[in-house]
Amino acid sequence: EVQVVESGGGLVQPGRSLRLSCTASGFTFGDYAMSWFRRAPGKGLEWVSLIRSKANGGTTEYAASVRGRFTISRDDSKTIAHLQMNSLKTEDTAVYYCNREGTNPWGQGTLVTVSS
Amino acid sequence: DVVMTQSPLSLPVTLGQPASISCRSSQSLIYSDGNTYLNWFQQRPGQSPRRLIYKVSNLDSGVPDRFSGSGSGTDFTLKISRVEAEDVGLYYCMQGTHWPWTFGQGTKVEIK
Repeated sequence: EVQVVESGGGLVQPGRSLRLSCTASGFTFGDYAMSWFRRAPGKGLEWVSLIRSKANGGTTEYAASVRGRFTISRDDSKTIAHLQMNSLKTEDTAVYYCNREGTNPWGQGTLVTVSS
Repeated sequence: DVVMTQSPLSLPVTLGQPASISCRSSQSLIYSDGNTYLNWFQQRPGQSPRRLIYKVSNLDSGVPDRFSGSGSGTDFTLKISRVEAEDVGLYYCMQGTHWPWTFGQGTKVEIK
């Protein structure tokens, strides 16, 4: 059974950093791209970032709203994808979800609150 | 960026009746490989999102067949043939053809 579990969220002050983790199981992790999405309070879903498989270059994509501040990475040996979030802004407050290439299942999400 | 426009944004429906949500993109979603990467997602209250439909009309595993997707180019539709109570929630279209991936604003489906 495919599963993804997000972790690492919490309360952080503006300008600080946080690293989210996505631990996956039930599939050959290294064969797939992994992606992060988020939903801010009272707003809709937003795609955040994607990292391709090593076979496809391991290259990355970012939404304009996070480019230059967030970095996605992967550790295929541990079947984990990370989202390093730097220079956090209040507008980054959201529940963050990861999944395999935008497909099901989605994890339960991890809440990031950026506030002073 | 490709702008995805959904309508209506609020959809009160009667149980057992059909429902339809429209999604329009600001440019064609036909990719160079011939596929159209238009997906539909559902988010029930208090739950994580799930994908219902991929590439316009393909149902994800476990999705009831009362859901269907259609369309081409820039105009797409999600239909629910007979709305059930568990269908209450937010529905989003999302394009995966062009970077960055973009979502519609979301349509709130509620029971009258």
